[in-house]
Amino acid sequence: EDKVVQSPLSLVVHEGDTVTLNCSYEVTNFRSLLWYKQEKKAPTFLFMLTSSGIEKKSGRLSSILDKKELSSILNITATQTGDSAIYLCALEYGNKLVFGAGTILRVKS
Amino acid sequence: EAGVTQSPTHLIKTRGQQATLRCSPISGHTSVYWYQQALGLGLQFLLWYDEGEERNRGNFPPRFSGRQFPNYSSELNVNALELEDSALYLCASSLSRPGTQYFGPGTRLLVL
Repeated sequence: EDKVVQSPLSLVVHEGDTVTLNCSYEVTNFRSLLWYKQEKKAPTFLFMLTSSGIEKKSGRLSSILDKKELSSILNITATQTGDSAIYLCALEYGNKLVFGAGTILRVKS
Repeated sequence: EAGVTQSPTHLIKTRGQQATLRCSPISGHTSVYWYQQALGLGLQFLLWYDEGEERNRGNFPPRFSGRQFPNYSSELNVNALELEDSALYLCASSLSRPGTQYFGPGTRLLVL
């Protein structure tokens, strides 16, 4: 049962490109939506989103939640090879985090 | 501040054996979560411990069990290992509710 669906599954871009990663979900009674970056092993926290329409930014990364569309996007501008990773989206509900399968991003130099 | 630590980093077992994985949360965090990440799959929630109690459990058989100690560290035990248990097992900690979790480096379990 796929409650959190990420797209695309994988993406290859060149340095300097801008990418948009998508996360869509089915549940409506969630507490928060989170984005993580996983490079080798441990996912590292990027953003937590709780309110619709409010953009969170950190450097070249930004994310926004659209509760009406049941989705969130993660934008990365001016991509660098160090952005190559798996990007995970997760929903907090039912006393747990439910993760999507992730988007594999590869940035070529 | 030290992050979440896990041991061992790698573990090789044979079918039918038992595996014990360990996790120490960030100092001050009371909640510990366990996830399984099999090759090509996303993180699958296994267990959540908070203040020594099991708070929630994912859709895994009972041979996956664990506990949380008074110092908030945790163990994950997998009994009667099967080949498909081969995966990266990640531990995460948070202050209380599942919200923002911080992950450890994981234990890679290989079942032969």
